[in-house]
Amino acid sequence: GQNIDQPTEMTATEGAIVQINCTYQTSGFNGLFWYQQHAGEAPTFLSYNVLDGLEEKGRFSSFLSRSKGYSYLLLKELQMKDSASYLCAVRAGGSYIPTFGRGTSLIVHP
Amino acid sequence: DGGITQSPKYLFRKEGQNVTLSCEQNLNHDAMYWYRQDPGQGLRLIYYSQIVNDFQKGDIAEGYSVSREKKESFPLTVTSAQKNPTAFYLCASSENTNEKLFFGSGTQLSVL
Repeated sequence: GQNIDQPTEMTATEGAIVQINCTYQTSGFNGLFWYQQHAGEAPTFLSYNVLDGLEEKGRFSSFLSRSKGYSYLLLKELQMKDSASYLCAVRAGGSYIPTFGRGTSLIVHP
Repeated sequence: DGGITQSPKYLFRKEGQNVTLSCEQNLNHDAMYWYRQDPGQGLRLIYYSQIVNDFQKGDIAEGYSVSREKKESFPLTVTSAQKNPTAFYLCASSENTNEKLFFGSGTQLSVL
């Protein structure tokens, strides 16, 4: 099986930068996803990493280190609308279906 | 607009009753999935389908059933055998097995 660990909750201030970490233990790693989910809504795709390094997309960046089993999602210039859950999901073991972590609830306050 | 539509948004089930959650996509995606989301837990896979007329059990299939008679539709039935059905149910699809998932807006199922 896979073990995916994320912090349960984080808080940050509007305009600041926040880093949400995700660690995983798995065999046959084949990619890591980040999704954003507002309460009671559909998760929406943010990023996909399969190779080591940083992928930047506007205010959001995602980093992967396969050797360390570690990823982070970096959110810059935080806005109130960024308050949401952030889901880390890993694809591994020959399966194409991602396994999700428990998600990190981010609260952005003024 | 292309997307995934789940209905209803809220559903109530009586004891011993089967209920069916609808999921329709017009993205022409081959693969479809059902996940269950409980507070404080990650999304857990119930069933998935790679192609029409074929589906596979996920990690928590007991008490659920699905069908995939049409490419665009993947309904989920929560049977009376599912003793703890209260949860948020999410349907998803992907173009093929290597692509990202697109999610519907979910159905909140509660037991009366």
